[in-house]
Amino acid sequence: EDQVTQSPEALRLQEGESSSLNCSYTVSGLRGLFWYRQDPGKGPEFLFTLYSAGEEKEKERLKATLTKKESFLHITAPKPEDSATYLCAGRDFGNEKLTFGTGTRLTIIP
Amino acid sequence: DTEVTQTPKHLVMGMTNKKSLKCEQHMGHRAMYWYKQKAKKPPELMFVYSYEKLSINESVPSRFSPECPNSSLLNLHLHALQPEDSALYLCASSPDLGGEQYFGPGTRLTVT
Repeated sequence: EDQVTQSPEALRLQEGESSSLNCSYTVSGLRGLFWYRQDPGKGPEFLFTLYSAGEEKEKERLKATLTKKESFLHITAPKPEDSATYLCAGRDFGNEKLTFGTGTRLTIIP
Repeated sequence: DTEVTQTPKHLVMGMTNKKSLKCEQHMGHRAMYWYKQKAKKPPELMFVYSYEKLSINESVPSRFSPECPNSSLLNLHLHALQPEDSALYLCASSPDLGGEQYFGPGTRLTVT
């Protein structure tokens, strides 16, 4: 059964303190690893798609990377507005649904 | 434009009511989705439409009835809901099945 596990469950950082969020997956034949940001009471906002090990994508203070077994979302010099829940999701060959992790709730303290 | 719109934003309904949630996208996407999300949980897939045909039905109770009138619109008809159905209902679309999904803002549903 496909599984996506995110850690930590919650993370509090001081403004400017860089860190990484982890997403490990057991999706066989991964056909896409997706990162989303979700603010309370709102729909998830698409951030990145990664398809193959070694791939990296960046957007402002965020960088997503992918290995054969896990993905990292690196956040550099975060600001309070980066506070949100970050979700990752995997999709495998022959299955058009996304398997979501439970998310990391990130809080950036001014 | 990567916007998916949903109406209404909030809905309160009794267990005997019939109501509908609406979703619209104008990105030319061919796949549309309904998700249910409870507090502090990830979204749970309910239905997938691809080229206006139901592609995936995740064994959702029949009190939820999806409809895809055309490639831009997706409705979710609600009837005889239970209090445990209270949740954030999210619509999403993707260029095709399997691509990145773009979510709407959601409808906060409360069943009394």
